[in-house]
Amino acid sequence: GIQVEQSPPDLILQEGANSTLRCNFSDSVNNLQWFHQNPWGQLINLFYIPSGTKQNGRLSATTVATERYSLLYISSSQTTDSGVYFCAGSSGYALNFGKGTSLLVTP
Amino acid sequence: DSGVTQTPKHLITATGQRVTLRCSPRSGDLSVYWYQQSLDQGLQFLIQYYNGEERAKGNILERFSAQQFPDLHSELNLSSLELGDSALYFCASSFRDHSYEQYFGPGTRLTVT
Repeated sequence: GIQVEQSPPDLILQEGANSTLRCNFSDSVNNLQWFHQNPWGQLINLFYIPSGTKQNGRLSATTVATERYSLLYISSSQTTDSGVYFCAGSSGYALNFGKGTSLLVTP
Repeated sequence: DSGVTQTPKHLITATGQRVTLRCSPRSGDLSVYWYQQSLDQGLQFLIQYYNGEERAKGNILERFSAQQFPDLHSELNLSSLELGDSALYFCASSFRDHSYEQYFGPGTRLTVT
């Protein structure tokens, strides 16, 4: 299956800072999603973005399908942004997940 | 709230036992996926059903089985449980069988003692 590599694995930010998370794929995908797993374990859909750029409030994402990578931007981070961010891609049915970026935002 | 429901939220059972996890997809979604999240393996795809039929299989053990019923809810059966089966089990749903956004339920946390 598709290999998904996420970086950085861990990130500590002060409230108000900006960050960029990256996701590389070993092969082309036709489905690419970003998720936030909160401290209660819930997986929250952030973006469905097989290509192009999308924005939702302080979050935005860009996928460059031809180069097989995606970026998630978090601006003006808040403590509630803490958790693990996963990207996942698929060339068929199942999503293949990366190992995640663990983000801690401190006051 | 994704619209995908899973029951129970938590399950504690002993080795060798059998459990059933239940999932109801979002209204209108025909496809159901099961994923397992464990500390050592991360998030892994187990199996997918589309409109009652098995569509894709991942790293699902032979001790595990699933089905999707005519009302589109799905059940994941785990038998002869081992300590290593302790994990968070997610169900996801999507409208079609591939290339569509998947929405995840809150998960069932299984602890095998």
